[in-house]
Amino acid sequence: DAGVIQSPRHEVTEMGQEVTLRCKPISGHDYLFWYRQTMMRGLELLIYFNNNVPIDDSGMPEDRFSAKMPNASFSTLKIQPSEPRDSAVYFCASSLGGGNTEAFFGQGTRLTVV
Amino acid sequence: ILNVEQSPQSLHVQEGDSTNFTCSFPSSNFYALHWYRWETAKSPEALFVMTLNGDEKKKGRISATLNTKEGYSYLYIKGSQPEDSATYLCALDTGRRALTFGSGTRLQVQP
Repeated sequence: DAGVIQSPRHEVTEMGQEVTLRCKPISGHDYLFWYRQTMMRGLELLIYFNNNVPIDDSGMPEDRFSAKMPNASFSTLKIQPSEPRDSAVYFCASSLGGGNTEAFFGQGTRLTVV
Repeated sequence: ILNVEQSPQSLHVQEGDSTNFTCSFPSSNFYALHWYRWETAKSPEALFVMTLNGDEKKKGRISATLNTKEGYSYLYIKGSQPEDSATYLCALDTGRRALTFGSGTRLQVQP
């Protein structure tokens, strides 16, 4: 397996534009996580899915953020409209069994909103 | 808010030195404790997942211990090498199946 695949690797967009980040988890993993990395807050959980169902979205900053997992091999994180404070590295991770099994991270998407 | 605290924030050691870091967490909220290694420009990679009080795990020169009753874990690196330079993250699962990460310990090993 190629691991968790995220796209794009880098995204620069103007404030107000819609941004969609994509993630392909490792085949067979039941859990998918979206994290955001910033200098101020470190690595923080945004949302996670179990068997394609959103379980906990309490970390999603506000209504401008939404995430979907239409099938076991694909998830998106959408920001609409984007703001400069959304600039961060967004990581997707997947695992077999949730918190007591190791998470495998994608390479991340570095988002810059200007 | 769940506090997972790591110390020190950063550490500079010489090649060959042994070193250790600490991760502290609320002992009342414990399901699993993870350690990750995060190299610059890469993504975090799992080192250990520990679930039982008294757990000790080892991978090469790196080992970790866990004390769930007092709420801490130690990560040890024996004979540090320049390639060990990275940020080491610990993360806690309280049973909600997702991880809360500490802010990490940045290790720099000088040749």
